[in-house]
Amino acid sequence: SQQGEEDPQALSIQEGENATMNCSYKTSINNLQWYRQNSGRGLVHLILIRSNEREKHSGRLRVTLDTSKKSSSLLITASRAADTASYFCATDPRWAGSYQLTFGKGTKLSVIP
Amino acid sequence: KAGVTQTPRYLIKTRGQQVTLSCSPISGHRSVSWYQQTPGQGLQFLFEYFSETQRNKGNFPGRFSGRQFSNSRSEMNVSTLELGDSALYLCASSSGTDSYEQYFGPGTRLTVT
Repeated sequence: SQQGEEDPQALSIQEGENATMNCSYKTSINNLQWYRQNSGRGLVHLILIRSNEREKHSGRLRVTLDTSKKSSSLLITASRAADTASYFCATDPRWAGSYQLTFGKGTKLSVIP
Repeated sequence: KAGVTQTPRYLIKTRGQQVTLSCSPISGHRSVSWYQQTPGQGLQFLFEYFSETQRNKGNFPGRFSGRQFSNSRSEMNVSTLELGDSALYLCASSSGTDSYEQYFGPGTRLTVT
């Protein structure tokens, strides 16, 4: 079963705009990670936020984590056409090993040039 | 460092056959995880190996098995293939100890006819 659920399922924006994706999960976690996948290919790790952190930045990415609401958001600023991809949040529930990731169904982002 | 490699990239099999997929992790990584990705179920964790031992296992039938060799390379095997096994099989490697980020290979696209 899916631990995480991303919202929205699909998002279409113009190049230069910001894109915000949300993720909700069900159980207590150790860490939450975001990954990107270009059409039918392997996943690329974007950022990891630990359960005791509230916000993290990496380049044009900003991730927030609210463990009380069991939710996270990924913000991509000044989007580019190359950001077009599916984005997944992944959690490692405390009851499982930290290398056993549970993925949401993903948000499909389209950035229009 | 070279990335995670998976072979073969594409595979077509018939129902009832068996298949073996191979994964070579990033040099120095001792943890290898396998995931199945389908349009209906999304990304699902199969199992994780660390230093030749299965450390975590997902909720898949016994037809799915794996192993890891002393050089950290891993194989997964699916016996008695079913149509529903058609999927993208992704392998990911990680240090297995001090970092939870996973590095994914390009995947093996398995089609069962």
